[in-house]
Amino acid sequence: QSVLTQPPSVSGAPGQRVTISCAGRSSNIGTGYDVQWYQQLPGTAPQLLIYRNNNRPSGVPDRFSGSKSGTSASLAITGLQAEDEGDYYCQSFDISLSAWVFGGGTKLTVL
Amino acid sequence: QVQLVQSGAEVKEPGASVKVSCKASGYTFIGYFIHWVRQAPGQGHEWVGWINPDSGDTNYAQRFQGRLTMTRDTSISTAYMDLSRLTSDDTAIYYCLREKDGSGSLIADYWGQGTLVTVSS
Repeated sequence: QSVLTQPPSVSGAPGQRVTISCAGRSSNIGTGYDVQWYQQLPGTAPQLLIYRNNNRPSGVPDRFSGSKSGTSASLAITGLQAEDEGDYYCQSFDISLSAWVFGGGTKLTVL
Repeated sequence: QVQLVQSGAEVKEPGASVKVSCKASGYTFIGYFIHWVRQAPGQGHEWVGWINPDSGDTNYAQRFQGRLTMTRDTSISTAYMDLSRLTSDDTAIYYCLREKDGSGSLIADYWGQGTLVTVSS
């Protein structure tokens, strides 16, 4: 059971917008710790997609955006493309566990 | 470019130990903490611990205390994770990660390709 909760799957047609939620608690996201998002495409290692809630590393298209409010965060992907298909994970820090914590991952399917 | 290259897949019997390596290149090895996380089949990622390659200081997740050792060899820019008394619950892909900005950012900006450790009799 992952500390952060994500939906197991989301899907959308090319060009559409999808969002992926990440629910935490008062000991992690709710206490102010930032949220990161990682993208794992088939057969590859995870890559940093969004950091500190809403910042994109260089090279990440602005179709990807993040937000955070209260004890949860969201990743939005606009203009969905076939190459976006893969797994997406959120990550933060939990003060009670003194540990990095992750979501269980969300599989994005582009219809 | 920054790369973290891990050692190959391992198959171990219950009770044995496994040592996974993570060779860094493309940056100053001692300047960035290395973390290890694992992902069991069908599960999310679980943080295992970190090592400061400069000092050798370590910090392990509570559940691994007593059977986990992280080390490094700065001469070859390589970090190691040694997990002992393996059980089937340790079957997972193990990843090494580099912490962005060195330490304290709580962000993994580069990941290794992962090492599958299978524990089976």
